[in-house]
Amino acid sequence: GNSVTQMEGPVTLSEEAFLTINCTYTATGYPSLFWYVQYPGEGLQLLLKATKADDKGSNKGFEATYRKETTSFHLEKGSVQVSDSAVYFCALSDLSNSGYALNFGKGTSLLVTP
Amino acid sequence: GAGVSQTPSNKVTEKGKYVELRCDPISGHTALYWYRQSLGQGPEFLIYFQGTGAADDSGLPNDRFFAVRPEGSVSTLKIQRTERGDSAVYLCASSRAGLQETQYFGPGTRLLVL
Repeated sequence: GNSVTQMEGPVTLSEEAFLTINCTYTATGYPSLFWYVQYPGEGLQLLLKATKADDKGSNKGFEATYRKETTSFHLEKGSVQVSDSAVYFCALSDLSNSGYALNFGKGTSLLVTP
Repeated sequence: GAGVSQTPSNKVTEKGKYVELRCDPISGHTALYWYRQSLGQGPEFLIYFQGTGAADDSGLPNDRFFAVRPEGSVSTLKIQRTERGDSAVYLCASSRAGLQETQYFGPGTRLLVL
């Protein structure tokens, strides 16, 4: 079946540091890949997505590239801010298997300190 | 515009009781999803509606769980004979119909079964 594995947190960084959160996936079909973010006290919201191999999703300075050869979709940001402190979830949907449902990883908590 | 809303925001009940959780999707969104998020985990898919019908209920853990969407808008997740293991945050999401549409999440209902 489909699954998503992402790096364990919490991740603690100083402001302006470089961020990488690793995400790898297993899928039987041709999944779309997503990063969702959950800020403290708020609901899940889509950060970025990529629907096919080699696509790059980007938003708010975050980027992730859909790498089929390594089955990865790592999240990166060149310079994090305190306001980026949140829990980040990698997810996939695979119409050939799980339909429209999203399969989520366990989440990675990020804390950015001033 | 208004986002996805869920009521109640918190629900405390006793083992064996019946509970109903409500989701109000974004106006015009024909697709609606329920997920369950346990502590320290990512959301897990429960059920997906397209219009009034449940297009995929493969994530419902057992027959104590049931969901309806009688008019194709508001949905209710019903849990009979609650167990302590049902304690979690129940998330609702909605989207437009069609492939690759973004799912918009509500703030969730935190259910605690004593």
